[in-house]
Amino acid sequence: AQSVTQLGSHVSVSEGALVLLRCNYSSSVPPYLFWYVQYPNQGLQLLLKYTSAATLVKGINGFEAEFKKSETSFHLTKPSAHMSDAAEYFCAVMLRTGRRALTFGSGTRLQVQP
Amino acid sequence: DTAVSQTPKYLVTQMGNDKSIKCEQNLGHDTMYWYKQDSKKFLKIMFSYNNKELIINETVPNRFSPKSPDKAHLNLHINSLELGDSAVYFCASSAGTEIRTDTQYFGPGTRLTVL
Repeated sequence: AQSVTQLGSHVSVSEGALVLLRCNYSSSVPPYLFWYVQYPNQGLQLLLKYTSAATLVKGINGFEAEFKKSETSFHLTKPSAHMSDAAEYFCAVMLRTGRRALTFGSGTRLQVQP
Repeated sequence: DTAVSQTPKYLVTQMGNDKSIKCEQNLGHDTMYWYKQDSKKFLKIMFSYNNKELIINETVPNRFSPKSPDKAHLNLHINSLELGDSAVYFCASSAGTEIRTDTQYFGPGTRLTVL
């Protein structure tokens, strides 16, 4: 069975600083990988996804993530944080065959300080 | 235009009651899902339907019964509500095409509070 671990339930950065949210996965075969963002009292919005094309994936709002098979990681980064980036971020995996069920990590709350 | 909509947004009810949450998508998708987000923000799949056919049925109590009258709607009915059912329930949909390119779009969620 696949699983996702997000290191750090809370991350705080200053506006303009680098954002790094960590995600490690466990799966018998490399899965598809996703990052979703949840703003307060809203649903989840897809930021980006990895489906075995380029290992560096660019998403919306200036975010990107790099798939590293050797480290079983898919960390999310943004060079310069903006106040509007404050939200809950979820990493998720899906097996390449069979069930189309996303398995989510426990989430990381990003705070951006002025 | 709301792609995936859910009603109601908030639902407060007493233990033992029966309630329904409705979900509609106007994306023309074939596959719909229900996820549950607990108080610790942990999200887990509950059900998935493809063209009105049940595809995924996780280890969910049989008090929960999804119903798909057509492929644009997937409702969730919950019987004999318990305190532990309090959560945010998210509906999602996807085109159901090749899995590599399939993307799930989420609704705004329904916050269920059982008193």
